Amino acid sequence: GNSVTQMEGPVTLSEEAFLTINCTYTATGYPSLFWYVQYPGEGLQLLLKATKADDKGSNKGFEATYRKETTSFHLEKGSVQVSDSAVYFCALIANAGGTSYGKLTFGQGTILTVHP
Amino acid sequence: GAGVSQSPRYKVAKRGQDVALRCDPISGHVSLFWYQQALGQGPEFLTYFQNEAQLDKSGLPSDRFFAERPEGSVSTLKIQRTQQEDSAVYLCASSLGPGPNTEAFFGQGTRLTVV
Repeated sequence: GNSVTQMEGPVTLSEEAFLTINCTYTATGYPSLFWYVQYPGEGLQLLLKATKADDKGSNKGFEATYRKETTSFHLEKGSVQVSDSAVYFCALIANAGGTSYGKLTFGQGTILTVHP
Repeated sequence: GAGVSQSPRYKVAKRGQDVALRCDPISGHVSLFWYQQALGQGPEFLTYFQNEAQLDKSGLPSDRFFAERPEGSVSTLKIQRTQQEDSAVYLCASSLGPGPNTEAFFGQGTRLTVV
């Protein structure tokens, strides 16, 4: 079946530190890959996505590259801010056989806390 | 409103009680999903609607869970004879239409606590 594995958390960083949150996946076919973010008191929001191998998704200074050879989609940011404190979820939509209606499979989430 | 709206935000139910959770998707969105998020875990798929048709209910954990979207807009997730293991946040998401790349917009969820 399809699955997503995220690095164990929580992650605590000082402001302006470099961030990496690891994500690997198992899926049939060529899935689309996503990072969602949940800020305190808010609903899940799409942060970035990549739909094919070697694509790089980017938004708000965050980046992730779709690596098919390592089945990974690691999230990175060069300089985190206090406002980046949130829970981050890696997710995929399987696309086996070219048909998909958009069902998301999520990782377990990584709590990020950034201190001033 | 412009986003996905869920109500109630919080629900406390006594074990054995029936509950109904409501989702108002973004107007015009064809696809609607329900997910269950246990504490400290990622959301897990429950069911999918395309307009009023329930095309996938493979994630519903038992026959106590029932979902409907009779007019292709508002959806209700009903849980009968609630059990403690049903305690979780129930998330609703909608998107413009089916496909692997369409963005899903999530509501803030309903936190259900069964006591």
